[in-house]
Amino acid sequence: NAGVTQTPKFQVLKTGQSMTLQCAQDMNHEYMSWYRQDPGMGLRLIHYSVGAGITDQGEVPNGYNVSRSTTEDFPLRLLSAAPSQTSVYFCASKSRRLAGYEQYFGPGTRLTVT
Amino acid sequence: AQTVTQSQPEMSVQEAETVTLSCTYDTSESDYYLFWYKQPPSRQMILVIRQEAYKQQNATENRFSVNFQKAAKSFSLKISDSQLGDAAMYFCAYRSASGNTPLVFGKGTRLSVIA
Repeated sequence: NAGVTQTPKFQVLKTGQSMTLQCAQDMNHEYMSWYRQDPGMGLRLIHYSVGAGITDQGEVPNGYNVSRSTTEDFPLRLLSAAPSQTSVYFCASKSRRLAGYEQYFGPGTRLTVT
Repeated sequence: AQTVTQSQPEMSVQEAETVTLSCTYDTSESDYYLFWYKQPPSRQMILVIRQEAYKQQNATENRFSVNFQKAAKSFSLKISDSQLGDAAMYFCAYRSASGNTPLVFGKGTRLSVIA
């Protein structure tokens, strides 16, 4: 199993540009989520999904869109990048069966918006 | 909403010594899970230890153990015989046991290990 994969690993955008951060998992996990990590702020939840076709907002959803058309993929879209979106982004997945199950994280994407 | 607080932004420990990282949380629920994650410079998030709230016994994983005080809503991580490879950011996290709710993270503690 590849686990949770994210592409790209690094990205530089200009203000106003759009892009999609890709996330895929091969563990057949129903639950997937996106976090952003900023210095001194920990990991903050952007959006999450409990299964294909179902998404919900987290703590910091503004400026981001998501969709979940398959169990495997959960892309994060930035429609018009802003410098405040400079951050490290993590995708994560877990089995839906028990809340105590481990959540698996991807390697992260470092995004810089100039 | 649940919150997780890590009051120590930075800690340091001598190699081979013991260090304790603090975590408190706020919840009105009685059934939940608590986690400690390690993030080394590689950025990868690694699960260190997990505690079920309904279990009174403190979880242990090799050199890592927790002190879970449910009434005080405290969940500290003890690292024994610290090694250079333990240097990392450590995050405390909470998840409700009801439904598929997200992990809620604290802001993290950066641990340095001094040779």
